[in-house]
Amino acid sequence: QSALTQPASVSGSPGQSISISCTGTSSDVGGYNYVSWFQHHPGKVPKLLIYEVRHRPSGISNRFSGSKSGNTASLTISGLQADDEADYYCFSYTSSRLGVFGGGTKLTVL
Amino acid sequence: QVQLVQSRAEVKKPGASMKVSCKASGYTFTDYYIHWVRQAPGQGLEWMGWINPKSGGTNYAQKFQGRVTMTRDTSINTTYMELSRLTSDDTAVYFCARAFSAWNCDSWGQGSLVSVSS
Repeated sequence: QSALTQPASVSGSPGQSISISCTGTSSDVGGYNYVSWFQHHPGKVPKLLIYEVRHRPSGISNRFSGSKSGNTASLTISGLQADDEADYYCFSYTSSRLGVFGGGTKLTVL
Repeated sequence: QVQLVQSRAEVKKPGASMKVSCKASGYTFTDYYIHWVRQAPGQGLEWMGWINPKSGGTNYAQKFQGRVTMTRDTSINTTYMELSRLTSDDTAVYFCARAFSAWNCDSWGQGSLVSVSS
């Protein structure tokens, strides 16, 4: 199972919006709605931001939103803040009842 | 509150096996799958597999098939991940994570660093 494809890095200024894409296939992202997004500050524990494509867990800011079109899922962060600087990973269920992460995207807040 | 507490860091020799534990508290242990994920130094997150604590059923990433075994002990709300025939490429922080609806990992253990070195 190959890793899902994410851009290696994205950047934005405080207050701006950015989007991170996550491209898979019809056997994972495109075929199921079990796509999650995690924020990971180095040295800390990954944090669930979005589950099942577009749902936010309790306590997660509405600045974070998720969507999907075809084989590509996207995470959008609006109103960028300094603390948003972190690594972001998508994760998907696959047709083999396995899981697969994206390669990760480093977000820099300028 | 939900807590997953993992075993402490270990140093292993190449060819040896490792076994990381993940003790759950604050919820009904058998109601949530446990996934195992690792992160090697400078690398991204890598999914290893899951275990259903209720049935003991498992599914492993193809990369680890034949080398990984996930088990659980419902009497002490603990899951285990054992990885055999270690190489330096297995040096990583290993995480367990609770998943609702089987695939949504909402709570994570603190991570266990395993270093493989001769």
